Amino acid sequence: AQSVTQLDSHVSVSEGTPVLLRCNYSSSYSPSLFWYVQHPNKGLQLLLKYTSAATLVKGINGFEAEFKKSETSFHLTKPSAHMSDAAEYFCVVSVHSGGGADGLTFGKGTHLIIQP
Amino acid sequence: GAGVSQSPRYKVAKRGQDVALRCDPISGHVSLFWYQQALGQGPEFLTYFQNEAQLDKSGLPSDRFFAERPEGSVSTLKIQRTQQEDSAVYLCASSRGTTGETQYFGPGTRLLVL
Repeated sequence: AQSVTQLDSHVSVSEGTPVLLRCNYSSSYSPSLFWYVQHPNKGLQLLLKYTSAATLVKGINGFEAEFKKSETSFHLTKPSAHMSDAAEYFCVVSVHSGGGADGLTFGKGTHLIIQP
Repeated sequence: GAGVSQSPRYKVAKRGQDVALRCDPISGHVSLFWYQQALGQGPEFLTYFQNEAQLDKSGLPSDRFFAERPEGSVSTLKIQRTQQEDSAVYLCASSRGTTGETQYFGPGTRLLVL
């Protein structure tokens, strides 16, 4: 079984400062890891995806995440926050068990607040 | 269409009513998933289709929940005898292949059971 823990339910940063959203995972197999963003009244959008290639993954809108197996972490970062980054962020794990189904396991989410 | 679409976007039901939620996946996508997102929570997996075959329904919370995808494209999630605890956003996602593929999500159907 796999699980995801997002360590902060809310993160508040000032516009132009760095963003760090923390995520730890648990998985019996080599996982695929994702970050999704959800803006109010909009669908979930994929930010980035890790699937056992490079451990530093670059995504859209300047976000990136680093897979650290020794720490079982997949933290999301951005050098400089923008007001449009305010949203709910979900860390997600998927494990292919051979049955053809890759149901995603979501964390509880981190609400990112950007202060002007 | 270009993305996953869902209808209706909002549904209000009286307790005990049956509801049907529709998902139109991206054309040609083999895999289709349903998730339930309670208020303030992350989405939780309900069921998975590979073409018309329902390969995993382990996340369906009760036998009141039923999903189908008869022709391997459009899917319907049906909830019978709705209860207040069924109030949530129901998300549909599709992916091109069967393993390790990115899932693309629809906007969801917000269900409120009174």
